Amino acid sequence: AQSVTQPDIHITVSEGASLELRCNYSYGATPYLFWYVQSPGQGLQLLLKYFSGDTLVQGIKGFEAEFKRSQSSFNLRKPSVHWSDAAEYFCAVGADNDMRFGAGTRLTVKP
Amino acid sequence: EAGVAQSPRYKIIEKRQSVAFWCNPISGHATLYWYQQILGQGPKLLIQFQNNGVVDDSQLPKDRFSAERLKGVDSTLKIQPAKLEDSAVYLCASSLEGGSGDTQYFGPGTRLTVL
Repeated sequence: AQSVTQPDIHITVSEGASLELRCNYSYGATPYLFWYVQSPGQGLQLLLKYFSGDTLVQGIKGFEAEFKRSQSSFNLRKPSVHWSDAAEYFCAVGADNDMRFGAGTRLTVKP
Repeated sequence: EAGVAQSPRYKIIEKRQSVAFWCNPISGHATLYWYQQILGQGPKLLIQFQNNGVVDDSQLPKDRFSAERLKGVDSTLKIQPAKLEDSAVYLCASSLEGGSGDTQYFGPGTRLTVL
């Protein structure tokens, strides 16, 4: 079965700074890859997803992610973070009709 | 378009009591999921329904957890009896078809505290 690792439990960035959240997956082929965001007390919201095509994927709220097959990675980026981006971010891997989530990265934004 | 609805939003019970959660998916979505999210962890799938049939319940603790999806629409997840380790947020999600690449839409969750 597939698995996903988010190496960073907690990241703090200053407002206006750039952001990169790491995600590594394990699967024999290219799975579906997702990034979700969860604000406090809310359910998960899809930011973007990838399966094939252009390895740089654009999502909502100014986020993008880059798929790197050689590194089995799907890192999430944003060029300039806003205070409202403070939340928990989950990378997920979909394959064989099964979805596995990483443990999440909590993002804190400093004013 | 209305999102996934869940109730209640919060529930506090004592161990060995029973509890039930309700979920109404997005209209027209064939697939419904129940996830358990323990504090500090990602969501873990408990059960997946396709219409009113179970697709995957391999991680559902069947000795205490049960779920049903009547008429292929809304669903109920029950825990009986509850244990301390069941304290978590229970998320319901739905998707149009249920394939690996299908986007899942999540409800706000039910936060369960077992004392």
